[in-house]
Amino acid sequence: EAGVAQSPRYKIIEKRQSVAFWCNPISGHATLYWYQQILGQGPKLLIQFQNNGVVDDSQLPKDRFSAERLKGVDSTLKIQPAKLEDSAVYLCASSYPSFPSGGTDTQYFGPGTRLTVL
Amino acid sequence: DAKTTQPTSMDCAEGRAANLPCNHSTISGNEYVYWYRQIHSQGPQYIIHGLKNNETNEMASLIITEDRKSSTLILPHATLRDTAVYYCIATYGKLTFGQGTILTVHP
Repeated sequence: EAGVAQSPRYKIIEKRQSVAFWCNPISGHATLYWYQQILGQGPKLLIQFQNNGVVDDSQLPKDRFSAERLKGVDSTLKIQPAKLEDSAVYLCASSYPSFPSGGTDTQYFGPGTRLTVL
Repeated sequence: DAKTTQPTSMDCAEGRAANLPCNHSTISGNEYVYWYRQIHSQGPQYIIHGLKNNETNEMASLIITEDRKSSTLILPHATLRDTAVYYCIATYGKLTFGQGTILTVHP
């Protein structure tokens, strides 16, 4: 089956510019996640969607970051305006509810978008 | 989520077993132990998870101590392609990634 698709793979922008990332999850996966991974650190959850509703956006810097998941499939993450500290890899993941086994769903990650802010 | 502690880095010879430890001494009764790995320039990849019992799948084995305060991920026959950062996460809900263990498999 096709994996999680993300585009673009790389993006270089100047600070104060805006940028958008796109994610297409695995078909049938109701839950979609956006993570930020700064160099040398583990990924940090920014926002989690269940279908097209937000489940958790507690770590999303809402003054500059926004995300949407229209129609419960594809998702877009936007940064406006970008700061130098936003340079990172932005990872999208999706999961299918599998709670009969307990715990949290297995997440499948895309390859990420590497953002460089100059 | 319970805090986890992993060694910063480990080495392993190709073909040998790689044993990656994780300490999660404050784990609560309903928290699972998850292992993901991240190969360079790729997104994290799920490996295995468990609650109390030892688990095995086609990728690895997970050994959880009886008191659940620590666990070991075992890659039975490591290959060069297993070189990656390995993350141990103790959680019931969302994944909180630490810095993980950098495993380097040598020829």
